[in-house]
Amino acid sequence: SAVISQKPSRDICQRGTSLTIQCQVDSQVTMMFWYRQQPGQSLTLIATANQGSEATYESGFVIDKFPISRPNLTFSTLTVSNMSPEDSSIYLCSARYYEGKIQETQYFGPGTRLLVL
Amino acid sequence: GEDVEQSLFLSVREGDSSVINCTYTDSSSTYLYWYKQEPGAGLQLLTYIFSNMDMKQDQRLTVLLNKKDKHLSLRIADTQTGDSAIYFCAESLYNQGGKLIFGQGTELSVKP
Repeated sequence: SAVISQKPSRDICQRGTSLTIQCQVDSQVTMMFWYRQQPGQSLTLIATANQGSEATYESGFVIDKFPISRPNLTFSTLTVSNMSPEDSSIYLCSARYYEGKIQETQYFGPGTRLLVL
Repeated sequence: GEDVEQSLFLSVREGDSSVINCTYTDSSSTYLYWYKQEPGAGLQLLTYIFSNMDMKQDQRLTVLLNKKDKHLSLRIADTQTGDSAIYFCAESLYNQGGKLIFGQGTELSVKP
């Protein structure tokens, strides 16, 4: 299985500040993703992090609020900007791996638990 | 639009089998996944099934797929207290670059 790490694992932040979350995967992958899991809820895709180009955002998420970088095939960052208490969530990084010609699997990092006061 | 539905809670006794059910709406799904989330942890990939398969078995886990009814199930044999967690099913949308749509999660409680 894949190894995906995230930093920080958790943080408590003041409203109006920004936090950058880092995601490192153990091998080169084409596709990396960022998800949000609000308290007691399921996962929602924020964006697809594209290497060498701008991220592709899902409806309801914008680049100004969630800027994403993808400088290479093993690393990505997500910034939560100008935070408010509504941004308190778990943020999860994910990567898609291809095992063999047709089998694809998608693994997740351990998540970053963010509390905004 | 795309939707994935799961029942929210399941309670079983240790040693019994657990069956967690999931329905999905998008017929273009290629892969369907089951993930496990323990308290305070991220998502652990348990197993997945390709849409042209009916069944996949992996040790204590059996996945059944009824593509006609768009119904997916996860059976855990000999359920243990360590299996207590939230289980998410997810469909991969072929027409949207393999985007994953998650169900709400089923909280499995295993009583000794």
